[in-house]
Amino acid sequence: DAGVTQSPTHLIKTRGQQVTLRCSPKSGHDTVSWYQQALGQGPQFIFQYYEEEERQRGNFPDRFSGHQFPNYSSELNVNALLLGDSALYLCASSFVQVIGVPNEQFFGPGTRLTVL
Amino acid sequence: KQEVTQIPAALSVPEGENLVLNCSFTDSAIYNLQWFRQDPGKGLTSLLLIQSSQREQTSGRLNASLDKSSGRSTLYIAASQPGDSATYLCAVYSGAGSYQLTFGKGTKLSVIP
Repeated sequence: DAGVTQSPTHLIKTRGQQVTLRCSPKSGHDTVSWYQQALGQGPQFIFQYYEEEERQRGNFPDRFSGHQFPNYSSELNVNALLLGDSALYLCASSFVQVIGVPNEQFFGPGTRLTVL
Repeated sequence: KQEVTQIPAALSVPEGENLVLNCSFTDSAIYNLQWFRQDPGKGLTSLLLIQSSQREQTSGRLNASLDKSSGRSTLYIAASQPGDSATYLCAVYSGAGSYQLTFGKGTKLSVIP
């Protein structure tokens, strides 16, 4: 079992550019969540995808958008990058055992985004 | 709005010591609580998940307890080793229908050989 995988590992962009990050969930998992972790802080919830739809969203602007594919993998897109978007972006996967009941989440290694 | 606080922010102990990390949350109506370990620049490794109906969970040298009424959880690490050095994060699911984890800022643990 490969666990949760993310690509790329590192990324450097300039202000105003757009970026796409990718995530493949753990085998058997159908739900993907994205988190942003600034240096020295705990991860902050961006959104969660289930059945190819955004199920819940945190307090992030519309510049942050996502997608989930039929194979359960997911993308995070960030438009009009700001310096403050520099962070470690973490993907987590889980599976729905009972609707409405959150299950244990397993995290990937993250993508380090630097905005210059 | 749920807030999670972890004390202390950093801790340094000699190898072999038993230690306790603390986590508190403002809204006691949580669903589950999860403890993670994070090595520098890396992703999160799940250590223990405590469901709201449970009071504690154990895995090897780790024991986590949960007191929902007081809004507190502790992670006990027995016989610490240098390999335990990492940042430990506590996170909660807030109530039914919420799928997001709310994290504390973590406790950075250093175990000195």
